Amino acid sequence: GENVEQHPSTLSVQEGDSAVIKCTYSDSASNYFPWYKQELGKGPQLIIDIRSNVGEKKDQRIAVTLNKTAKHFSLHITETQPEDSAVYFCAASNPHAGGTSYGKLTFGQGTILTVHP
Amino acid sequence: DADVTQTPRNRITKTGKRIMLECSQTKGHDRMYWYRQDPGLGLRLIYYSFDVKDINKGEISDGYSVSRQAQAKFSLSLESAIPNQTALYFCATAGTGSTDTQYFGPGTRLTVL
Repeated sequence: GENVEQHPSTLSVQEGDSAVIKCTYSDSASNYFPWYKQELGKGPQLIIDIRSNVGEKKDQRIAVTLNKTAKHFSLHITETQPEDSAVYFCAASNPHAGGTSYGKLTFGQGTILTVHP
Repeated sequence: DADVTQTPRNRITKTGKRIMLECSQTKGHDRMYWYRQDPGLGLRLIYYSFDVKDINKGEISDGYSVSRQAQAKFSLSLESAIPNQTALYFCATAGTGSTDTQYFGPGTRLTVL
């Protein structure tokens, strides 16, 4: 089955700096890669996702890049703000997979991002 | 109102007690999931269901059971709670389609003494 590794486990930046979180995956058939943000006391919320037919996707201050050859993808947050402080999770799946992989996301271990004012 | 709700939000119980965590959704999704979150371990899948008659074990199903009472309701039970089941529990839903995007509830913090 799929295995997703996420780094770093903790990341501390100053307000205004950029933050980058990286994930690698093992199953070359995976083609859907969402990123979730979990604020304190809340459930994970989808913030951006990318499919394998594109290499980069942006939404205001956040962007995700995908390198299918190397099987890794990254989340980039520019001009960080204190409200970006949260736990971030990457995930991977193949929405068209059969068998036991069908309909499931495999999550990374999470990154605790702290943005200092 | 939230699309995915979980009850209770917090629960403290004792070893050996039976506990039920409930999840309801108004998104009209067929797929529902139960996850456990522990520090440094991310989200681990306990059980999932693609419709009322479909129940599947995830990677850590031992010690847990589930019931899909209706399309909108998916309950997780701990038949005899033990301290290492102390964790955050999340329910999630997903529709069928070209992505596996999941939508999470607010979570239940369970403490087993």
